[in-house]
Amino acid sequence: GQNIDQPTEMTATEGAIVQINCTYQTSGFNGLFWYQQHAGEAPTFLSYNVLDGLEEKGRFSSFLSRSKGYSYLLLKELQMKDSASYLCAVRSSGGFKTIFGAGTRLFVKA
Amino acid sequence: ETGVTQTPRHLVMGMTNKKSLKCEQHLGHNAMYWYKQSAKKPLELMFVYNFKEQTENNSVPSRFSPECPNSSHLFLHLHTLQPEDSALYLCASSPGGQTTDTQYFGPGTRLTVL
Repeated sequence: GQNIDQPTEMTATEGAIVQINCTYQTSGFNGLFWYQQHAGEAPTFLSYNVLDGLEEKGRFSSFLSRSKGYSYLLLKELQMKDSASYLCAVRSSGGFKTIFGAGTRLFVKA
Repeated sequence: ETGVTQTPRHLVMGMTNKKSLKCEQHLGHNAMYWYKQSAKKPLELMFVYNFKEQTENNSVPSRFSPECPNSSHLFLHLHTLQPEDSALYLCASSPGGQTTDTQYFGPGTRLTVL
């Protein structure tokens, strides 16, 4: 079957660094996305990886290892506004089907 | 308006009612999506339209009926729903034409079925 696993909740301190892991098993792979979703709001795009390696975008970085079915989202210099759910999603085989993980709720404390 | 808009934002309906959800995108995209988001569960893809043609139907019950009259508008017609259908229904759009498209989400419609 197809499955995406990520931790349910994480807590970190303002100014620190946090890494949110995601492992996936899908029929085919056509890219991995990370989205941020604040409570009661729509998911917003953070990053996209299709090749192995690290993609850096400001305070946010995303890493992919296709051979291991593994990705992580790295958030640096955490701010209170980073408290949100982070969704890992994989575009599987041909077509537009995207499979989402259940999301990781990140709590940033002062 | 810009981005992806959805109406209504909140909807309460009985199991015998018929209602429709509307989504409109102002991004010039060609692909549009319906997702269901239930509490503590992953986003579930329901339908995908690419250039007005339905390309995905993720085994959705027939009480949900999508309609895509043009690339900017997407509807979800609801009839004889069940209480377990209560959820946040999210619409998204992407440029289309490539399966690596990034999706842009609307704010969602919070649906409660009594």
